[in-house]
Amino acid sequence: QLQLQESGPGLVKPSETLSLTCTVSGGSISSGSDHWGWIRQPPGKGLEWIGTMHYSGSTYYNPSLKRRVTISVDTSKNQFSLKLSSVTATDTAVYYCARYSMPPRAAFDIWGQGTMVTVSS
Amino acid sequence: QTVVTQEPSFSVSPGGTVTVTCGLSSGSVSTTNYPSWYQQTPGQAPRTLIYNTNTRSSGVPDRFSGSILGNKAALTITGAQADDESHYYCVLYLGSGIWVFGGGTKLTVL
Repeated sequence: QLQLQESGPGLVKPSETLSLTCTVSGGSISSGSDHWGWIRQPPGKGLEWIGTMHYSGSTYYNPSLKRRVTISVDTSKNQFSLKLSSVTATDTAVYYCARYSMPPRAAFDIWGQGTMVTVSS
Repeated sequence: QTVVTQEPSFSVSPGGTVTVTCGLSSGSVSTTNYPSWYQQTPGQAPRTLIYNTNTRSSGVPDRFSGSILGNKAALTITGAQADDESHYYCVLYLGSGIWVFGGGTKLTVL
C-alpha cells in the first residue's frame, strides 16, 4: 500500500532554509489527480496546512507562508520536497507530508509519520 | 483571513454522544468546502476518519459520522468509548487551492 516517509535535518539555524523530502513508496507520485502536501504541527499546538502540489507543477501555498515556501517534485525519484526560508523559532514543529485525494474522496488520506524540526542556534 | 473554528474541548461519558463542530469565521460551511475529519493521539500522525463531509474512511467504526449541521460541519461520535479520547481536527477547502485546518478539539471520555 502507499506509504510516505519524511526525511531531512532535525535542526536548522535561525535565518537559514529548512529542507525536507517526502519519499512516496507503493505507488506513483504521478498518479492521476492526486495532490501532495505538507502540514506542520508546533509542539502542543494544532495542525497547519503549508502547501500542496500536483506532479504537473501546480502549487498552492498557505497565504501566511507563501513568501517563504517552495514545494517541488522529483518524479524520477518519486519524491516531493519542502523548502521554508528565513526560519525562526516559530517554525519549530513536526512536519508531515500527506497525499490529498481530490473529490469525490477529498481528504488528506495518507500521512507520513512526521519529522521533528527544531530551529535553534 | 478566514479562520476555521472548533470547540477547544469537550467531555463525554462512556457510551454517550458528542458532536464536534467546524465553522467558518465568515460564512457557512457547505459540502463544497469538502469537510474532512482527523483523529490524532499524542505522538502519532493524524488518522483520517471522515472525508467529503460524511464518508467514513476504511476501518473507521460506524459510531463516527459526519454531516452538515446548520452552517457548520459536524463530527458525531455515538456511543463513545475510552479509546476515542483524542484530539479531533477538521479541514476545509476554501477554494483557489487553499485548505485550512481548524484549531482542534480535545475530547475527554470520562
